[in-house]
Amino acid sequence: KAGVTQTPRYLIKTRGQQVTLSCSPISGHRSVSWYQQTPGQGLQFLFEYFSETQRNKGNFPGRFSGRQFSNSRSEMNVSTLELGDSALYLCASSVTQGTNEKLFFGSGTQLSVL
Amino acid sequence: AQSVTQPDIHITVSEGASLELRCNYSYGATPYLFWYVQSPGQGLQLLLKYFSGDTLVQGIKGFEAEFKRSQSSFNLRKPSVHWSDAAEYFCAVGATGRRALTFGSGTRLQVQP
Repeated sequence: KAGVTQTPRYLIKTRGQQVTLSCSPISGHRSVSWYQQTPGQGLQFLFEYFSETQRNKGNFPGRFSGRQFSNSRSEMNVSTLELGDSALYLCASSVTQGTNEKLFFGSGTQLSVL
Repeated sequence: AQSVTQPDIHITVSEGASLELRCNYSYGATPYLFWYVQSPGQGLQLLLKYFSGDTLVQGIKGFEAEFKRSQSSFNLRKPSVHWSDAAEYFCAVGATGRRALTFGSGTRLQVQP
């Protein structure tokens, strides 16, 4: 079974641009969560989607948004990029929602904002 | 609000030695607790999790962790470390019914030959 696939693997953008990251969950998984990982702030929860609906959202500005499609694939978008948005963005999928489910993480998208 | 503290930023052990990584959490109710491992440039892999029941939980790769409610701790242990265990380890806490995990800042493990 294929794991969680995140594309692209690396991305370089300049301040003010916008970016879209993609996540394909494991087949049959309906929940997708996104996390931001930086050396300074560590791992922080962005949002979770289940059945195309956002279920939870972390403490991030409105520039960060996401969506989930009917096939459970998810995208996250960051508009008006700032230098501080440079991070590893990790996507995780699970069969259902709820904390007691095992999360499967992708390898992440490394975003660099210049 | 829930929080996780991993007091050790970096630990170095010799191959074959025992290992204990510390984790303290803050959460109002019975927590869901997790240990994840991350190799360089990779995502996170779940080592083990605790929801309820036996306070000593066994995980993959020979790891175990013990939940101690009185100390608000969930320390990770391994009796004999292998060179391939070198990685960063994250403790996390979750709330009932919510996906959002709160992670600690991580402990980087270095294994000396």
